Amino acid sequence: NAGVTQTPKFRILKIGQSMTLQCAQDMNHNYMYWYRQDPGMGLKLIYYSVGAGITDKGEVPNGYNVSRSTTEDFPLRLELAAPSQTSVYFCASSYEGQGISPLHFGNGTRLTVT
Amino acid sequence: GQQLNQSPQSMFIQEGEDVSMNCTSSSIFNTWLWYKQEPGEGPVLLIALYKAGELTSNGRLTAQFGITRKDSFLNISASIPSDVGIYFCAGQRGGSNYKLTFGKGTLLTVNP
Repeated sequence: NAGVTQTPKFRILKIGQSMTLQCAQDMNHNYMYWYRQDPGMGLKLIYYSVGAGITDKGEVPNGYNVSRSTTEDFPLRLELAAPSQTSVYFCASSYEGQGISPLHFGNGTRLTVT
Repeated sequence: GQQLNQSPQSMFIQEGEDVSMNCTSSSIFNTWLWYKQEPGEGPVLLIALYKAGELTSNGRLTAQFGITRKDSFLNISASIPSDVGIYFCAGQRGGSNYKLTFGKGTLLTVNP
């Protein structure tokens, strides 16, 4: 099993551009999450999904959108990139909720907005 | 929002030394988790704690769920160079099954 796969690994965007960060998991997990990690700030939850067709906002959702059309995929969309969105983005999945099942993280996408 | 205070922010130690780090909160948590992140990778779960007072080991790592449910501790014994990384605590409150609160991390450097 590949686990959680994120693409791309790195990306540089200009202000105002849009892009989609891809995330796929092959563990048949119901729960999927997007986090951003800023230096010295830990991980902040952007959006999460408890199953196909269901998504909800996390702690820092502004400027992002998600969709969950299949169990496997959970893409994160940035519509109008801003410098404040420069960060490392991690996708994660779990079999049950985060407090019950361990999170499986991807290796991250490093995004720079200039 | 909820905050976890993780300390120390960073540690620079000699190989073979023991390491202690902790997380505290003003809120009660039902679950405490400890993750390790190596450079260029996502965090990996080390230990999960589900009951106040629980003490759990994973090899040279030992973690405890504080009796007040507002804190947790992680100890690493006889550190080795591959222990290098960022260690995160995370807590989950009752009724928020989808949301973990993460500490800001402890950066551990081990000098061979």
